[in-house]
Amino acid sequence: DIQMTQSPSSLSASVGDRVTITCRASQSISNYLNWYQQKPGKAPKLLVYAASTLQSGVPSRFSGSGSGTDFTLTISNLQPEDSATYYCQQGYRTPLTFGGGTKVEIK
Amino acid sequence: EVQLVESGGGLVQPGGSLRVSCAASGFTFSSYWMHWVRQAPGKGLVWVSRINSDGSSTTYADSVKGRFTISRDNAKNTLYLQMNSLRAEDTAVYYCARRPQGLGDSFDIWGHGTMVTVSS
Repeated sequence: DIQMTQSPSSLSASVGDRVTITCRASQSISNYLNWYQQKPGKAPKLLVYAASTLQSGVPSRFSGSGSGTDFTLTISNLQPEDSATYYCQQGYRTPLTFGGGTKVEIK
Repeated sequence: EVQLVESGGGLVQPGGSLRVSCAASGFTFSSYWMHWVRQAPGKGLVWVSRINSDGSSTTYADSVKGRFTISRDNAKNTLYLQMNSLRAEDTAVYYCARRPQGLGDSFDIWGHGTMVTVSS
């Protein structure tokens, strides 16, 4: 199975800050990497697919990059509504696997 | 509106069975592969199973293989997950999710989830 390792597991940042979350795959997954946002009690929401393509309707302050084994999700100009848990997920091979999540808190 | 609505969750004893359903609307259900993803209370997301658009091909996580069966009825626009020999560790919110058309597996539309609790 492909293991997905996210870091950090949690972070606290201020409104307007730039935040970076990293995700590492245990083997190369090309660009088959997706990012999701989940708020408490809600279903996850797709933010970025194919490592760097923003899903329709997602604010442009979100961006993704990377290929192979190392990926990042960046939130520029952090907003209060960005408080959530973020997950990466590899879509390269079954079993599909998620990272452990990064909880983003607003100071 | 594109929508997925799960139902059928509840409390079941260890060793018991339960079938959860996912009703799709607002898109051509028969054109999309579909998934089940679960989330134990306070934990992360775990992929469970996938089915192709016509139901002829299915894939499972090792943790549920042989116990769970994914199926679909395209005439009814409904996805199913039959869960047998349930264990306490199967306790989770079960989400159905749509795989968008294209390369690679991602989940672009999610249902609200249905809670399954396995306990005596």
